[in-house]
Amino acid sequence: AQSVTQPDIHITVSEGASLELRCNYSYGATPYLFWYVQSPGQGLQLLLKYFSGDTLVQGIKGFEAEFKRSQSSFNLRKPSVHWSDAAEYFCAVGPNFGNEKLTFGTGTRLTIIP
Amino acid sequence: ETGVTQTPRHLVMGMTNKKSLKCEQHLGHNAMYWYKQSAKKPLELMFVYNFKEQTENNSVPSRFSPECPNSSHLFLHLHTLQPEDSALYLCASSQGGSASSYNEQFFGPGTRLTVL
Repeated sequence: AQSVTQPDIHITVSEGASLELRCNYSYGATPYLFWYVQSPGQGLQLLLKYFSGDTLVQGIKGFEAEFKRSQSSFNLRKPSVHWSDAAEYFCAVGPNFGNEKLTFGTGTRLTIIP
Repeated sequence: ETGVTQTPRHLVMGMTNKKSLKCEQHLGHNAMYWYKQSAKKPLELMFVYNFKEQTENNSVPSRFSPECPNSSHLFLHLHTLQPEDSALYLCASSQGGSASSYNEQFFGPGTRLTVL
């Protein structure tokens, strides 16, 4: 069975600082991996996804993530955060035969301080 | 309207009430999903419909009854709920169809349900 762990429940960073959110997954083969963002009162929005190929993927809003098979990780990064990045971030894994059944992590809440 | 809409946005109901949640997608998609989001727990997939046919029921109690009359509309009928059913219920849609490719899921804003 697939599973996702987001070890950080809450992270606080200063505006302009760099950001890394951790995600570890468990899956028997190379999975499909996703990062979603949820702003207060909103649904989830896809930031980026990894299916195959280049292990460094670029997403929207200046985010990127790197797939590391040896570490079973898919960490999300941003070089300089903006106050509008304050939100909850969810990592998700899906099976590589594409049946669209996603397993989500518990989320990481990001707070930005001036 | 664009994207995925959900009504109502907030719902308070007693354990003996019957209510329904509505989801509508304006994206021309063929697959629709219900998720439950509880505090401090991962997002839980409840039901999946593909071309109006239910393809996934993730061991959801029978007090939750989904209905998908067409590819654009999805309902979740609620009856005799328990306080632990209080959560944010999210609807999503995707292109659906072939199992050989993955299609991005687009989420609605959710219905915040409180069961008293």
